[in-house]
Amino acid sequence: NAGVMQNPRHLVRRRGQEARLRCSPMKGHSHVYWYRQLPEEGLKFMVYLQKENIIDESGMPKERFSAEFPKEGPSILRIQQVVRGDSAAYFCASSPERGATEAFFGQGTRLTVV
Amino acid sequence: GQNIDQPTEMTATEGAIVQINCTYQTSGFNGLFWYQQHAGEAPTFLSYNVLDGLEEKGRFSSFLSRSKGYSYLLLKELQMKDSASYLCAVRDRGYSTLTFGKGTMLLVSP
Repeated sequence: NAGVMQNPRHLVRRRGQEARLRCSPMKGHSHVYWYRQLPEEGLKFMVYLQKENIIDESGMPKERFSAEFPKEGPSILRIQQVVRGDSAAYFCASSPERGATEAFFGQGTRLTVV
Repeated sequence: GQNIDQPTEMTATEGAIVQINCTYQTSGFNGLFWYQQHAGEAPTFLSYNVLDGLEEKGRFSSFLSRSKGYSYLLLKELQMKDSASYLCAVRDRGYSTLTFGKGTMLLVSP
């Protein structure tokens, strides 16, 4: 049973480009969470999705960031017109249900904006 | 909102016992989690407490006092591989998101 898969592991983008981060949850999991980890900072919640629904996006910046979790395929976190401040590690976690006592994290995507 | 505090760094010796504390102030509470994170790796689930008391799992134990807004993670028989960051996280009343502390970097020396 493969764990949460994120790709790419490392992504380099120039300022102004778009970044697409992908997350495939564990088999049987329909709940996906995205977190961002800045250097020397804790993990910060961004968005919580179920298949085809955004449940909670209270942690998402209002502009340039969007997320989706289509019926088929991975969840995508999209950052448009990236800036240097977007450089961070982006982690995805999945769980089989809301309120599960454990969420499994992927290895993360490290985005560097140059 | 949520506010979670834990020490930035701790050091300990191989074979010893170490206790990592976490205090929180929250508008809602539905469980406290501890995760281990090695540098450049994914956070790995260690423990979950929702009721007061001690949960033991092998070398690791976690304690919760909801009235005090306090938890600790106890690591026994420390090994070099336990050198990592330990993250305390609180789940909100909505059962959805986790709010993390900044993590405690533990360094285990020989």
